[in-house]
Amino acid sequence: QSALTQPPSASGSPGQSVTISCTGTSSDVGGYNYVSWYQQHPGKAPQLMIYEVNKRPSGVPDRFSGSKSGNTASLTVSGLQAEDEADYYCSSYAGSNNHWLFGGGTKLTVL
Amino acid sequence: QVQLVESGGGVVQPGRSLRLSCAASGFTFSTSVMHWVRQAPGKGLEWVAVISYDGANKYYADSVKGRFTISRDNSKDTLNLQMNSLRTEDTAVFYCARERMGALDYWGQGTQVTVSP
Repeated sequence: QSALTQPPSASGSPGQSVTISCTGTSSDVGGYNYVSWYQQHPGKAPQLMIYEVNKRPSGVPDRFSGSKSGNTASLTVSGLQAEDEADYYCSSYAGSNNHWLFGGGTKLTVL
Repeated sequence: QVQLVESGGGVVQPGRSLRLSCAASGFTFSTSVMHWVRQAPGKGLEWVAVISYDGANKYYADSVKGRFTISRDNSKDTLNLQMNSLRTEDTAVFYCARERMGALDYWGQGTQVTVSP
């Protein structure tokens, strides 16, 4: 069970767009549409931002969007705002005995 | 509203045991799949275990298999995690979370577990 691969950091200026990648294998990200993304501010619990690759829960701004191509999923944050500065984690269902995987996390900095 | 409140964390010596609980409210617990996820200090999220709505099916990360046991009491809306043979590398904040549509849509605030000699 290897963790999904995310870049350790990403950054952008207010108003810009930034995309965070999440690379897995055909046994997890590529094999299922159960890819989700979580935002975590320091000292807080994670919050669901995207589920089933590209769906937003109620209350999540439409500036957040998700996609997937092959074994790589992506989270795009458009119109960056200061409050978007946080850690972001991807997750995927990985089948085989109902295992789940998380990415290592990406620290998003709003310059 | 949905609430998940973990308890039972603390400081324990290596090799000892600890039992975490997660009290659920604001939703129908007995029809919900539930997870435990942990986060070591300064590290990322690590999935720990999942239990089906009726407790019949349980799955674990390899790192805890054979040492941790997930369980639930639907009559009390409570999720549990029995942790045995604890190791220093188990030191982490442990979160319980509800699964919906293949994602964890609600999380508790977490409980700190510290394993130290």
